[in-house]
Amino acid sequence: EVQLVESGGGLMHPGGSLRLSCAASGFSVSSNYMSWVRQAPGKGLNWVSIIYYTGNTYYADSVEGRFTISRDISRNTLYLQMNSLRVEDTAVYYCARTTVTSSSDVFDIWGQGTKVTVSS
Amino acid sequence: DIQLTQSPSSLSASVGDRVTITCRASQNINSFLNWYQQTPGKAPELLIHSASTLQSGVPSRFSGSGSGTDFTLTINNLQPEDFATYYCQQSHTSRTFGQGTQVEIK
Repeated sequence: EVQLVESGGGLMHPGGSLRLSCAASGFSVSSNYMSWVRQAPGKGLNWVSIIYYTGNTYYADSVEGRFTISRDISRNTLYLQMNSLRVEDTAVYYCARTTVTSSSDVFDIWGQGTKVTVSS
Repeated sequence: DIQLTQSPSSLSASVGDRVTITCRASQNINSFLNWYQQTPGKAPELLIHSASTLQSGVPSRFSGSGSGTDFTLTINNLQPEDFATYYCQQSHTSRTFGQGTQVEIK
């Protein structure tokens, strides 16, 4: 079964660090684009970061320089290292497989999400 | 950055109704437009990609159209499980989402 399971969320103070994990099954994270998308409480969806199968990485301006996306091929797991956390980083974080189609790339498989709360 | 503006932000409809949601991009994004459905407490699910291609397993009452800057999601014969929030998303330049359209029961 194709599945993504996130973990690692929690309550953090501003300025702290946290690493989110996303374990994949049924497909290889190294052969796909993989993304992180977040959703603040009661708000819409916001794309955070993507890693291509080439290893190239890209970030939203709001997290550039603070967050790092990576993967462990042996564990078939995606990560998001979050440093210098801010109150506005509070959100549910979803990992998503990102599939390239003929005229788009799409988030076609999503995890259940992990909640990150940043508060003093 | 490319902005996506959905309208309306919310709507009320009845089972069996036809519902139309629009998504306008701030610049030409060709057909790099996808639609997602999200029910409360759950992850989003892909409905339509490349503006008009129905994702495998999605009921045929959902359809998408448009190109360039103006796009539409149509739901025919609205079913109880369709009451949810719908998001458009572009992948032409980076990736951004619309603000969402909540479809509520009238």
